[in-house]
Amino acid sequence: QKEVEQNSGPLSVPEGAIASLNCTYSDRGSQSFFWYRQYSGKSPELIMFIYSNGDKEDGRFTAQLNKASQYVSLLIRDSQPSDSATYLCAVASTGGGNKLTFGTGTQLKVEL
Amino acid sequence: EAQVTQNPRYLITVTGKKLTVTCSQNMNHEYMSWYRQDPGLGLRQIYYSMNVEVTDKGDVPEGYKVSRKEKRNFPLILESPSPNQTSLYFCASSLSGQGALGYGYTFGSGTRLTVV
Repeated sequence: QKEVEQNSGPLSVPEGAIASLNCTYSDRGSQSFFWYRQYSGKSPELIMFIYSNGDKEDGRFTAQLNKASQYVSLLIRDSQPSDSATYLCAVASTGGGNKLTFGTGTQLKVEL
Repeated sequence: EAQVTQNPRYLITVTGKKLTVTCSQNMNHEYMSWYRQDPGLGLRQIYYSMNVEVTDKGDVPEGYKVSRKEKRNFPLILESPSPNQTSLYFCASSLSGQGALGYGYTFGSGTRLTVV
């Protein structure tokens, strides 16, 4: 079983729509949760992080965390073509150097 | 500008020829780490360092070495590269000595390595 799972996509949404990206994780001891955006051939860029159950909003982005269900999601409102990228879910746990464990990413395509 | 700098960006080498990929950060971060990214496998940690002279293995350390003699530098060494080490490599750093728990990572721009 993968430690952090994401649907690889591609997820296609029309411009202006809401994109919903999902992630599940296996380690119940996970403490911090991150969403990174990665354009092809580029380095991952941190979009949001969340530590507590519930929603966290930052501009057009909302991260949602449900620790009981071991589920993290990212909503992108008013999607733009520039949002087209791969979105990586990452989970930090204690132990092993407190590393980030990444999912394989979901490719998002925002169509005109 | 606060950043993590990796060099080179692209490298093609032959099997068995030792190489070093450099990584330097100017943010006074305690924690540094190396990842490799492969299609379908995602980002996997190679080695990490929680402070100067403190390094430890990640999930895929075989065939790699690291050193942390100074806080700002964390080079990745491939003593005898093989074709299965062809990958996209990222150096990352984190403000917290607690690794990724508090702040996540800042990534370098990546090194695309091809071993023939």
